[in-house]
Amino acid sequence: DGGITQSPKYLFRKEGQNVTLSCEQNLNHDAMYWYRQDPGQGLRLIYYSQIVNDFQKGDIAEGYSVSREKKESFPLTVTSAQKNPTAFYLCASSMQPGLPQHFGDGTRLSIL
Amino acid sequence: RKEVEQDPGPFNVPEGATVAFNCTYSNSASQSFFWYRQDCRKEPKLLMSVYSSGNEDGRFTAQLNRASQYISLLIRDSKLSDSATYLCVVKTGTASKLTFGTGTRLQVTL
Repeated sequence: DGGITQSPKYLFRKEGQNVTLSCEQNLNHDAMYWYRQDPGQGLRLIYYSQIVNDFQKGDIAEGYSVSREKKESFPLTVTSAQKNPTAFYLCASSMQPGLPQHFGDGTRLSIL
Repeated sequence: RKEVEQDPGPFNVPEGATVAFNCTYSNSASQSFFWYRQDCRKEPKLLMSVYSSGNEDGRFTAQLNRASQYISLLIRDSKLSDSATYLCVVKTGTASKLTFGTGTRLQVTL
């Protein structure tokens, strides 16, 4: 079955630690996205990539980094510079930028 | 003013009722509109796109009012399984990104 796989489902980060969230898709989609969702708030765009080897900052990119070395993969690193990383992180993809997006089932990140 | 605004609710309705949500958007150049559904602690899932002439999918009807810059979602004959948060999503101009509203929570009760 085609889809988007995020791992891990739950992740705990220690102070000062970088952690990487995985996102893999086998939908052959060009565009991929990372969002953060906090309680009572809408999804906020962290980074997006329209094509392999290219990515753009979203609205809240500070403290995060990404790479897009393969079409299928768009990992997100939450660095120690992100002071409030506790959130629900969602990865999405779409056939083309701006088209409806399909989401993975998310990673919940908490601080130890 | 937020780019996309929704009444957070919750809307508490009995099973079988008809309920409608509105969503307003600030940029008149917005081109594409969608409704997503998000269950508690789950990922959003596309419910339906919203077309200029309005469109229907079973019990769900979506409408667009460009003059007043809002879209609406009507749910007829509500089911318990319709309980979820409904997200309004807007694409503006040539932007590659979509802007998500904060969602309207619906609770359907017996």
